Amino acid sequence: IAGITQAPTSQILAAGRRMTLRCTQDMRHNAMYWYRQDLGLGLRLIHYSNTAGTTGKGEVPDGYSVSRANTDDFPLTLASAVPSQTSVYFCASSEVVTDTQYFGPGTRLTVL
Amino acid sequence: DQQVKQNSPSLSVQEGRISILNCDYTNSMFDYFLWYKKYPAEGPTFLISISSIKDKNEDGRFTVFLNKSAKHLSLHIVPSQPGDSAVYFCAASGNTGNQFYFGTGTSLTVIP
Repeated sequence: IAGITQAPTSQILAAGRRMTLRCTQDMRHNAMYWYRQDLGLGLRLIHYSNTAGTTGKGEVPDGYSVSRANTDDFPLTLASAVPSQTSVYFCASSEVVTDTQYFGPGTRLTVL
Repeated sequence: DQQVKQNSPSLSVQEGRISILNCDYTNSMFDYFLWYKKYPAEGPTFLISISSIKDKNEDGRFTVFLNKSAKHLSLHIVPSQPGDSAVYFCAASGNTGNQFYFGTGTSLTVIP
C-alpha cells in the first residue's frame, strides 16, 4: 500500500513559471490537504478539500490553486511562482476532515 | 497569529531518560490534539492523539497529557531512545473547524 505519493520529489523553478505539484492517495480518504513547511513557522495549511468536488482556503492560500476532480488526486498549482514560495510542500489526507491526517513524503521546491 | 506554540525549538536528552515536549494553544475551542514525528526528508507521521474529554492518553513509551485550563499539552517519551531523534509537531483542531493548526516543532536529540 503506497499511502500518499507526491511528485516531483524536488524541483528548481524560475520565477514566473507555472508549476503543478501532484498528490495521489490510495486510502480512499475523503479529505485532502496541502501544507507548506518553513523554518520557524511549522506547517501551514494552504488549501484543503473535504470531499471530491469541493475545495477550501487555508491559512496561506494566495498564489496557489487546487482542484479535486476525484477522490484520489489533489494537485496544487502555482500559476506564477515567486521566490517566497520556496518551501517544502506536504500533501496529507484523512478519512474525514477532523480526523488524523497522513502525510506524503513532501516536495522540495526552490524558486529562483 | 500562532494559535499553537512550541516554545522550545530544540531539546537534548540522554538515552534512557525521559523526554518532555511541550505545546501551548490559545483557542479554547480546540478539542482534539495530535503529535506528529518527522524525520529529515520524510513527511510527518502520526504518533499519538488526545481529545478534550481526556487528560491523558498512553501508547507504549509515549504519553500525552492535556491540561485544558492551562491550554497546555505535553508529550512524554520514556525511556528515550536514539531512534526518537526527530522533529515533533503538535497540532490542534476544533469541532467547528476545517483544519488542524500546527506548532513550529521541537527538534529532539537523544544522545546515546
